[in-house]
Amino acid sequence: NAGVTQTPKFQVLKTGQSMTLQCAQDMNHNSMYWYRQDPGMGLRLIYYSASEGTTDKGEVPNGYNVSRLNKREFSLRLESAAPSQTSVYFCASSEGNRGYQETQYFGPGTRLLVL
Amino acid sequence: QKEVEQDPGPLSVPEGAIVSLNCTYSNSAFQYFMWYRQYSRKGPELLMYTYSSGNKEDGRFTAQVDKSSKYISLFIRDSQPSDSATYLCAMMGGSQGNLIFGKGTKLSVKP
Repeated sequence: NAGVTQTPKFQVLKTGQSMTLQCAQDMNHNSMYWYRQDPGMGLRLIYYSASEGTTDKGEVPNGYNVSRLNKREFSLRLESAAPSQTSVYFCASSEGNRGYQETQYFGPGTRLLVL
Repeated sequence: QKEVEQDPGPLSVPEGAIVSLNCTYSNSAFQYFMWYRQYSRKGPELLMYTYSSGNKEDGRFTAQVDKSSKYISLFIRDSQPSDSATYLCAMMGGSQGNLIFGKGTKLSVKP
């Protein structure tokens, strides 16, 4: 099992450009998450999806959109990138539904630099 | 006050030392407590998971939860250079259906 995979590993964008970060999991998990990690700020939840076809905002959703394409895949889109979105982005998945044990398994991350 | 507070360190110890990592929290409804380990340029990986109060031991690692004090700890015995990483606490419970992470403590174990 590959677990959680993310593409690309690294990306440089210019301000105003758009891009989509891809995430896939092969553990048949119901829930998937997108986080960003910044120095001194820790991991902050951007969006999550408790099941196929549903998405909800997390702590820092502004400037992002998500799509739960199917049970395996959850993408994060930046429509018009800003320097403040320079960060490391992590995708995660968990087996259960909200309100139950939510042990999350993380992907390797995407490093994004917005110039 | 942040929901979860964690001293960012860095913490440097000699090989073989006992390491104590801690987090405090403010939400008394938290019931699930986790410790993640994150190596440089890698994703976090689950290290320990505990439910409610008490201790849990796994090899050289012991996780403790004191709900009365809203305080959790991770102890590493006989620390090794391979333990050098950032350790993140995380917790959830009550109406908070998502994991809330501490900022992480960077640990360096010197040979």
